[in-house]
Amino acid sequence: SQQGEEDPQALSIQEGENATMNCSYKTSINNLQWYRQNSGRGLVHLILIRSNEREKHSGRLRVTLDTSKKSSSLLITASRAADTASYFCATEETSGSRLTFGEGTQLTVNP
Amino acid sequence: DAGVIQSPRHEVTEMGQEVTLRCKPISGHNSLFWYRQTMMRGLELLIYFNNNVPIDDSGMPEDRFSAKMPNASFSTLKIQPSEPRDSAVYFCASSLSNYGYTFGSGTRLTVV
Repeated sequence: SQQGEEDPQALSIQEGENATMNCSYKTSINNLQWYRQNSGRGLVHLILIRSNEREKHSGRLRVTLDTSKKSSSLLITASRAADTASYFCATEETSGSRLTFGEGTQLTVNP
Repeated sequence: DAGVIQSPRHEVTEMGQEVTLRCKPISGHNSLFWYRQTMMRGLELLIYFNNNVPIDDSGMPEDRFSAKMPNASFSTLKIQPSEPRDSAVYFCASSLSNYGYTFGSGTRLTVV
């Protein structure tokens, strides 16, 4: 089964609203990362949060990590139509090991 | 830097033919990864290299798949013979330890 599992599988919101996506994982991790994939393109790295961090911000993105619950959330504030994409969480179990990706959340932002 | 460069972008081939996918990682990155993405199975890691050495190839589906990294700036993924179930988008990614991955634009493979 996937190490990272995103929730919800699909999310549709209006422009200007906030979008929250969740990720749960099973094992201990070194870090957790979020990626975005536009249709027909490769994944783009958004943000990395280490296991000893609880919250991180980058522009309109806010990521939280709760290692006791083995979960993370990605919040996109003031969403735009251009944010429409699939969002994946990925976990690195130990430093330098491979990433394991979840199945992704398809976000649609309606103008 | 031009990013991770993959070629070809699209490949259509007949069942039984050999297919070679190519990847040029970002200069200075020490890890390289090959992923396959399909609707049914999502994103699957096939193999990854660290400092040009294969570390984990447990995701390679079967002996028809092979990957090489002869130097730090080039890797290939070969499928021989190809089958229709190999149809997917194949991504190459590179990274520097403890940092995020940079993905290429992918090769969309169709085996008919």
